[in-house]
Amino acid sequence: GESVGLHLPTLSVQEGDNSIINCAYSNSASDYFIWYKQESGKGPQFIIDIRSNMDKRQGQRVTVLLNKTVKHLSLQIAATQPGDSAVYFCAEDEGSNYKLTFGKGTLLTVNP
Amino acid sequence: NAGVMQNPRHLVRRRGQEARLRCSPMKGHSHVYWYRQLPEEGLKFMVYLQKENIIDESGMPKERFSAEFPKEGPSILRIQQVVRGDSAAYFCASSPSARPNNEQFFGPGTRLTVL
Repeated sequence: GESVGLHLPTLSVQEGDNSIINCAYSNSASDYFIWYKQESGKGPQFIIDIRSNMDKRQGQRVTVLLNKTVKHLSLQIAATQPGDSAVYFCAEDEGSNYKLTFGKGTLLTVNP
Repeated sequence: NAGVMQNPRHLVRRRGQEARLRCSPMKGHSHVYWYRQLPEEGLKFMVYLQKENIIDESGMPKERFSAEFPKEGPSILRIQQVVRGDSAAYFCASSPSARPNNEQFFGPGTRLTVL
């Protein structure tokens, strides 16, 4: 799910399957990362966050993995549901404590 | 507890007009952030404000754009003499403080269309 060109990367899964959305970040100084979900016509909604001193964090049906060596972040959604269909953005805080830098997003489509 | 509120939700302006976008943060939040989103892109940071203070406006275009967060009332993002390239979704977020790991709560956005 990395950003390529002008079009959103897309991921299409069947309902009930697990989804994995990937994100590459650029700044090795970034110390805080967030995944947001954005449904059509709405603002981003917080899903889960992780600090740079961790490599894994779990929430309800979601897990975020952080690999600082290769500057890679992933979001795993278990038992994906139609309501999970949205654009998913990773965002990083490059040390400012307030300024978030967003990736270009991945469109997740869940087929019933 | 109401979330972040933005109005208007949709705004249409002709080239050369002014656009005023309003953001009311969540109750108890004194930190406001504005982001701009172009189609099929992620959000881009514009400005960070606290009450009566602009903390960081490094993402704001140098001309025509201004932001304020007065002691009373909503935060305002003002765009003067709009051009077609200003067409975008503008999102406001708020947080109770700017300490590390403080989640920013986003509003529904204002979609600006410049004709």
